[in-house]
Amino acid sequence: DAGVTQSPTHLIKTRGQQVTLRCSPKSGHDTVSWYQQALGQGPQFIFQYYEEEERQRGNFPDRFSGHQFPNYSSELNVNALLLGDSALYLCASSLGTGGNTEAFFGQGTRLTVV
Amino acid sequence: AQKVTQAQTEISVVEKEDVTLDCVYETRDTTYYLFWYKQPPSGELVFLIRRNSFDEQNEISGRYSWNFQKSTSSFNFTITASQVVDSAVYFCALSEGGGGTASKLTFGTGTRLQVTL
Repeated sequence: DAGVTQSPTHLIKTRGQQVTLRCSPKSGHDTVSWYQQALGQGPQFIFQYYEEEERQRGNFPDRFSGHQFPNYSSELNVNALLLGDSALYLCASSLGTGGNTEAFFGQGTRLTVV
Repeated sequence: AQKVTQAQTEISVVEKEDVTLDCVYETRDTTYYLFWYKQPPSGELVFLIRRNSFDEQNEISGRYSWNFQKSTSSFNFTITASQVVDSAVYFCALSEGGGGTASKLTFGTGTRLQVTL
């Protein structure tokens, strides 16, 4: 049973560019959440997708957008990259959106903006 | 607003010592869930435990134990007889308990545990 898979594992982009990160949820899970983890910090919630719609959003600008596909996989897009966007981006999947759901995390995509 | 505080940035212990990681939380909800995750160098967050706000019973799982006290808004994590493999960053997290879009996790800043021989 495959867990949460993210691609790519590492990425280097230049300021101003756009980037797309991908996530496949754990088998049977229908909800995907994205988190940004800056170096030395805890993960910060970006947004959550359920039934192909953004259900909840954290305090991130509109440069951060996402999508969920019918097979529950998800993409995170970041436009006009800034140096401060350099971070580990984690995807978490769960079954449903209740507060008691256990979220399973992928290994993340390490994004470096130069 | 939800908030999780892990005041201990880094802890170093010698193998076989016991160690407690502190977590203090803030929430206005009466129903909420608390979590602990372990993050090894590989980056993946590994789920350790979930506790709901109505269950203050402490839990023990092998060398791990958790102490949940609503009176002090704390959810502390103790590793007994620590091992080198326990070296990692540990995160405490909180989610609201309502239905719908309630599974957003609010994390603390983490505690880095270094266990040496």
